[in-house]
Amino acid sequence: DIQMTQSPSSVSASVGDRVTITCRASQGVGNWLAWYQQKPGEAPKVLIYSASSLQSGVPSRFSGSGSGTDFTLTINSLQPEDFATYYCQQTMTFPLTFGGGTKVEIK
Amino acid sequence: QLQLQESGPGLVKPSETLSLTCSVSDGSISSSLYYWDWIRQSPEKGLEWIGSTHKTGDTFYKASLKSRITISVDTSKNQLSLRLSSVTAADTAVYFCARLVGMTTATTERRYDSWGQGTLVTVSS
Repeated sequence: DIQMTQSPSSVSASVGDRVTITCRASQGVGNWLAWYQQKPGEAPKVLIYSASSLQSGVPSRFSGSGSGTDFTLTINSLQPEDFATYYCQQTMTFPLTFGGGTKVEIK
Repeated sequence: QLQLQESGPGLVKPSETLSLTCSVSDGSISSSLYYWDWIRQSPEKGLEWIGSTHKTGDTFYKASLKSRITISVDTSKNQLSLRLSSVTAADTAVYFCARLVGMTTATTERRYDSWGQGTLVTVSS
């Protein structure tokens, strides 16, 4: 199975900050990488697919980059509604695997 | 807008079978474009993909669950189902159904674009 490792596991930030989350795959996954946002009591919601494509309806302050084994999710100008947990997922091969999550908390 | 809704018992006894249904509305489970998946989430294991199926019967399972799991679609009812036998406490989790986009194309645009709200299943006597 491809292991997905996210860092940091949590980050404290303020409204207006830029936040960067990294995700590393245990083997190359090309651009087969998606990012999700999850709020307590809710299902995850896709933000980014194909490593850098913005899902329809997602604000442009979210962006993704990377390929192969190293990926980044960036949130520019953090908004109050962005405080949540973020997950990466490799979508190249079954079993589709998720990272352990990064919780973005209010500083 | 596509809606998915999981339903089933919230409490299952050890060694028994967990059975869940995912009802799909405002969309067709018969579309050849999509696969339909079950994902579970627990504090111990995080988000864990457990299986995926297509209306054609093409199905993939998590290897460690393969002897216990069955996922299928009922096109007449527009529903997805999950059966997991011989459950233990380790199967306690929130179970989500989700639509997988991009499995039928040769692109990297694969992702879950719609999810149910999730249902908590506790395995306990």
